[in-house]
Amino acid sequence: ETGVTQTPRHLVMGMTNKKSLKCEQHLGHNAMYWYKQSAKKPLELMFVYNFKEQTENNSVPSRFSPECPNSSHLFLHLHTLQPEDSALYLCASSQEVDAHEQFFGPGTRLTVL
Amino acid sequence: GDSVTQMEGPVTLSEEAFLTINCTYTATGYPSLFWYVQYPGEGLQLLLKATKADDKGSNKGFEATYRKETTSFHLEKGSVQVSDSAVYFCALIIQGAQKLVFGQGTRLTINP
Repeated sequence: ETGVTQTPRHLVMGMTNKKSLKCEQHLGHNAMYWYKQSAKKPLELMFVYNFKEQTENNSVPSRFSPECPNSSHLFLHLHTLQPEDSALYLCASSQEVDAHEQFFGPGTRLTVL
Repeated sequence: GDSVTQMEGPVTLSEEAFLTINCTYTATGYPSLFWYVQYPGEGLQLLLKATKADDKGSNKGFEATYRKETTSFHLEKGSVQVSDSAVYFCALIIQGAQKLVFGQGTRLTINP
């Protein structure tokens, strides 16, 4: 247990569906992150939030929409996804955005049909 | 730009064998270096880190030394166990930056 939880753990959706991924951290951290992990590719940073404000969007398509209502919760809203968006989506948190250690959740395995 | 290169996997060893997973980096600034481990079905966990040249990070029998002259941070363990089977990621972060840069990961399988 790293103190970062993600739900759901598995999600299958069609290209016309709308779904949301949820991340919650119980560590009192101020920074939260979304990563995408695809087979045979390095982890890709998607978004960074610091004190609820988005500080980085790594050229992510608009069909991915993040939301950070407070420092403990982070959502990733999904709509009109493509099959190539199928991947493991990992949430992480750290004390500050330039902290040396990030704590990762177990991920949501997303399959887009 | 900043990047991390790891040895190609997968790597398969017998229990009690010696392990080396190579990692080299390029960085525009002065990086801190990390090894993360991902066990099956789980997220990434920090295994060890080093924040300056010649530092040695160690944890659970694993070690890695920050070598500035060769821009390397190779992971070693003297005697691996079946429970070490996982994917290992080398990563760096530039001081003051907010972005961890990961290598592509190396899958390690240990056979009894």
